[in-house]
Amino acid sequence: EDKVVQSPLSLVVHEGDTVTLNCSYEVTNFRSLLWYKQEKKAPTFLFMLTSSGIEKKSGRLSSILDKKELSSILNITATQTGDSAIYLCAVELRGSGAGSYQLTFGKGTKLSVIP
Amino acid sequence: KAGVTQTPRYLIKTRGQQVTLSCSPISGHRSVSWYQQTPGQGLQFLFEYFSETQRNKGNFPGRFSGRQFSNSRSEMNVSTLELGDSALYLCASSFRTATNEKLFFGSGTQLSVL
Repeated sequence: EDKVVQSPLSLVVHEGDTVTLNCSYEVTNFRSLLWYKQEKKAPTFLFMLTSSGIEKKSGRLSSILDKKELSSILNITATQTGDSAIYLCAVELRGSGAGSYQLTFGKGTKLSVIP
Repeated sequence: KAGVTQTPRYLIKTRGQQVTLSCSPISGHRSVSWYQQTPGQGLQFLFEYFSETQRNKGNFPGRFSGRQFSNSRSEMNVSTLELGDSALYLCASSFRTATNEKLFFGSGTQLSVL
């Protein structure tokens, strides 16, 4: 059974801290790994990591894919209260047809940034 | 450009009833997928449609079904509702090219089954 595990499940930090969120996976036919931020309802896309793009960066956020260890980390530097959200890791499975998406999600990490 | 639109935002139903949820993808997106989100199970894949054809299906009972229309709008239907069907139902649309790969979610329909 395909499995995506995120840790920690929840995290409380102070503004300005740096945080690292973890995601490990055991899936057949890995295609890509995605990170989403969910503040209220709609998850917002952050990064997609594939074999050809194992490191991505956008502002204070960055992510690395370790295909050997079957894991990924999401780093947030200089955290702000607006970073408070649930961060979701998902793995896209290959073999679903060209361009199709079937994602297996982890349970998420709830990040709370306090002033 | 308008985002993914889901209607209704909230629904309250009773056990045994059926419900239909609607999703309008971003203009130009032909793939629409549906997910169920509950506190205990997280986000789980229901099914995916592309050009009016179901391409993938998750591990849900046959009470959950869907369809896609020629304009890419999609509906999902849940028949004979059970208490455990209470969840946030999220729809996502996607557009993939060699250089741009993203999946965009709507704000969801919160279904409560009493």
